[in-house]
Amino acid sequence: AQTVTQSQPEMSVQEAETVTLSCTYDTSESDYYLFWYKQPPSRQMILVIRQEAYKQQNATENRFSVNFQKAAKSFSLKISDSQLGDAAMYFCAYRYLGGFKTIFGAGTRLFVKA
Amino acid sequence: EAQVTQNPRYLITVTGKKLTVTCSQNMNHEYMSWYRQDPGLGLRQIYYSMNVEVTDKGDVPEGYKVSRKEKRNFPLILESPSPNQTSLYFCASSLSGLNSYEQYFGPGTRLTVT
Repeated sequence: AQTVTQSQPEMSVQEAETVTLSCTYDTSESDYYLFWYKQPPSRQMILVIRQEAYKQQNATENRFSVNFQKAAKSFSLKISDSQLGDAAMYFCAYRYLGGFKTIFGAGTRLFVKA
Repeated sequence: EAQVTQNPRYLITVTGKKLTVTCSQNMNHEYMSWYRQDPGLGLRQIYYSMNVEVTDKGDVPEGYKVSRKEKRNFPLILESPSPNQTSLYFCASSLSGLNSYEQYFGPGTRLTVT
């Protein structure tokens, strides 16, 4: 069975600094998607970034980038130039390509200090 | 506006009193899903539906029922709620093609069972 593990329940970063959130996963599949979702206090789930497993190039969306290590089954999220609005719960998620089940990690709560 | 709506947003009920949480999407998505979010556990999939009249169990289906009679609606039914079903519930939808990776989430329903 696929699993997703986020080993950092909480992280803290100073405004304008860089922070990296960790995620590891376990799967026997070779084709899949990986995602990072942001959940602010409003509880809305917001897709931050996605990575297709068949792509070697790491995905980037503005200040958000990932470090995807397929062999190590690692998928970390780097947030550069952190802003107060980045404070939220962040979930790592896995979805098998063509499948309908999405597996989420337990989440990492990110605090941003002014 | 493309969106997933859930009702009610907040619900407090008593053990054993049947309830239904509605979910509706206006994007003509084939795929819909229900999740529950609990602290330290992330989001766990309850049921999902690939299309009208096609549903399947997720990871935590016990105590829940679903139906998909229309493409736009996917209600979650708790026939006899118990306190361990106190949780935050999310409905989500997406297209069902191989490259359709993005799920659109509803605003969440906070359920308390006393």
